[in-house]
Amino acid sequence: AQTVTQSQPEMSVQEAETVTLSCTYDTSESDYYLFWYKQPPSRQMILVIRQEAYKQQNATENRFSVNFQKAAKSFSLKISDSQLGDAAMYFCAYRRGSQGNLIFGKGTKLSVKP
Amino acid sequence: DAMVIQNPRYQVTQFGKPVTLSCSQTLNHNVMYWYQQKSSQAPKLLFHYYDKDFNNEADTPDNFQSRRPNTSFCFLDIRSPGLGDAAMYLCATSRTSEKLFFGSGTQLSVL
Repeated sequence: AQTVTQSQPEMSVQEAETVTLSCTYDTSESDYYLFWYKQPPSRQMILVIRQEAYKQQNATENRFSVNFQKAAKSFSLKISDSQLGDAAMYFCAYRRGSQGNLIFGKGTKLSVKP
Repeated sequence: DAMVIQNPRYQVTQFGKPVTLSCSQTLNHNVMYWYQQKSSQAPKLLFHYYDKDFNNEADTPDNFQSRRPNTSFCFLDIRSPGLGDAAMYLCATSRTSEKLFFGSGTQLSVL
C-alpha cells in the first residue's frame, strides 16, 4: 500500500525567509503524481504545486518549488520569500496513475513570523 | 466563481438523525470524491464516483452512503450519525489524471 510521510508536524519561518517542508512516500508504482496542498484556517484545500513522476524537472509555481528525488522517494516543498498569508497546514499527497485517489500525509503546520 | 460548491458550510444534526450533505460542481469533471477530515488529521477518502461508477473505500462505515444523480451533483448521506462522525467533509472533483479541486467543506456537528 502507498504511504505518505510528513515528518515535521510543525514548522516556523520568518517573513521573507525560505522554508522547506519534507515529504517522503512509498510506492511500487511507476506512474503517479505528487501534490502539495495548502489548507488555511478556512479549511479549503488549495493546490500549491503538482509533479508528475515521469518528469525529471522539478515543478515550480512562483515562490513555490519542489525538490523531487524519485529514487529516494522524496518530494520536499520550498517556499521562498515567505509571506504571512503562507501560514497554513500543508499536506503532501500522492496519487497513483490517472484514476487513483489522493493519499495524504498527516500535514505540516507552517507558521510565519512577522 | 466557485467551482465546487458545498452546502451548507456548517451542519448540526442530532445523534442518530439522518443527514445529507451536498456538493455541486460547474467544472463538468467526471470524478467526484468525498473525504472526511477530523480535527488536526489528514483527509481520509470515504468513496468516489468515476462517472457513474461508485467506488467505496474498504474501511468506510456502512453508515455512510452516497448518491450521484448526475454529473454536477453528489450527495453524502449519513444514516445514523454518531458523535464520532463529527468532522469536516470535503468534496472534490477531477478529470482523470488531473489535480483535484476541493470545495470549502461542510463542518458537521453531532449533538
